Amino acid sequence: AQSVAQPEDQVNVAEGNPLTVKCTYSVSGNPYLFWYVQYPNRGLQFLLKYITGDNLVKGSYGFEAEFNKSQTSFHLKKPSALVSDSALYFCAVREGYNNNDMRFGAGTRLTVKP
Amino acid sequence: SAVISQKPSRDICQRGTSLTIQCQVDSQVTMMFWYRQQPGQSLTLIATANQGSEATYESGFVIDKFPISRPNLTFSTLTVSNMSPEDSSIYLCSVGSGQFNYGYTFGSGTRLTVV
Repeated sequence: AQSVAQPEDQVNVAEGNPLTVKCTYSVSGNPYLFWYVQYPNRGLQFLLKYITGDNLVKGSYGFEAEFNKSQTSFHLKKPSALVSDSALYFCAVREGYNNNDMRFGAGTRLTVKP
Repeated sequence: SAVISQKPSRDICQRGTSLTIQCQVDSQVTMMFWYRQQPGQSLTLIATANQGSEATYESGFVIDKFPISRPNLTFSTLTVSNMSPEDSSIYLCSVGSGQFNYGYTFGSGTRLTVV
């Protein structure tokens, strides 16, 4: 079955610095990869996805992620962090279109300090 | 993408009772999903609910504990039955979104505390 690993429980960055939130995945077929963000007392909000095509995908709020097949990674990045980016970030994977089971990573709490 | 209204947003319940969570979508959707997020943990899929058929439950979840209704293409309910403190979690409904339902849109969640 598909799985996702987010190796860092917590990421701290200073405002204005670049940020990276790491994600690696495991699937036997073609991966559909996603990033979601969860603010306190809120549901999950979709940030971006990789289905096929360009390895670099751009999403909401200036975030982007790079699909790396050889390293089975899909790291989330932003060139300049904002304090308002502080939240819980989840990476998720589906194994192809016919598989409805979206598996989530454990989550990474991002804290951006002014 | 679809807009999901989920209620209640939070509740505190006595052990042994049941709570029904409602999920209303502003458009017709084929697939609806129910997830559980236990404190400090990630999301776990409980079941997939398709209109006109019984829900499909994931390993570790059973219909007697989490009965689901899907009466039409815009609405679903999840009931947490005979609750215990271990059921304290955030419960989220979600629907396939975008073309081909690649990604999922989530409701704002129901924060359940069982005392």
